Amino acid sequence: QQQVKQSPQSLIVQKGGISIINCAYENTAFDYFPWYQQFPGKGPALLIAIRPDVSEKKEGRFTISFNKSAKQFSLHIMDSQPGDSATYFCAANPRGGTASKLTFGTGTRLQVTL
Amino acid sequence: DAGVTQSPTHLIKTRGQQVTLRCSPKSGHDTVSWYQQALGQGPQFIFQYYEEEERQRGNFPDRFSGHQFPNYSSELNVNALLLGDSALYLCASSPDLADYGYTFGSGTRLTVV
Repeated sequence: QQQVKQSPQSLIVQKGGISIINCAYENTAFDYFPWYQQFPGKGPALLIAIRPDVSEKKEGRFTISFNKSAKQFSLHIMDSQPGDSATYFCAANPRGGTASKLTFGTGTRLQVTL
Repeated sequence: DAGVTQSPTHLIKTRGQQVTLRCSPKSGHDTVSWYQQALGQGPQFIFQYYEEEERQRGNFPDRFSGHQFPNYSSELNVNALLLGDSALYLCASSPDLADYGYTFGSGTRLTVV
């Protein structure tokens, strides 16, 4: 059962453009929503994370928007750069559990062109 | 300061064999979790170790087992390998059970032939 649905599967954005990746979840017990960036041959690295008590969190060029009622959250990458080309995963962790039983989305392969 | 170290980086095994993967957590981290990442998919949680005990387990068969040592390093063992076990196996460590600030290693690429 896929509890976190991620779209699109792949994305091509021009340099300087905005990259938007969307995720939807079903389990209302989730209360921590991180985004990870993964380069080929490397493990995922935490980019930014949000809890459901806020609707938006911004760190540099990366912003998470969170809609609790719709059970959706998205990652916006402003001024996208070729170095941002990677696979991005959304994830969710349930409340009451420990901090690493993450449920991941299926990933979005981002390519930023010149 | 070394991050999470996993060994080996690549491994080829035959169906039915057994394999052991190793993980050294980041300095100061005492909690280790293992994930399986099939090609083109997101990582899936296998299990988590803290204080040398399995604390949580994902939806994986008993063929998958683990161990944590007093120095917090960990092993993942998979018995009776199947072709479907071919994947990138990731180890993640965190400062403690309740801390979300955990770090992933680069993984071990297991190929079962």
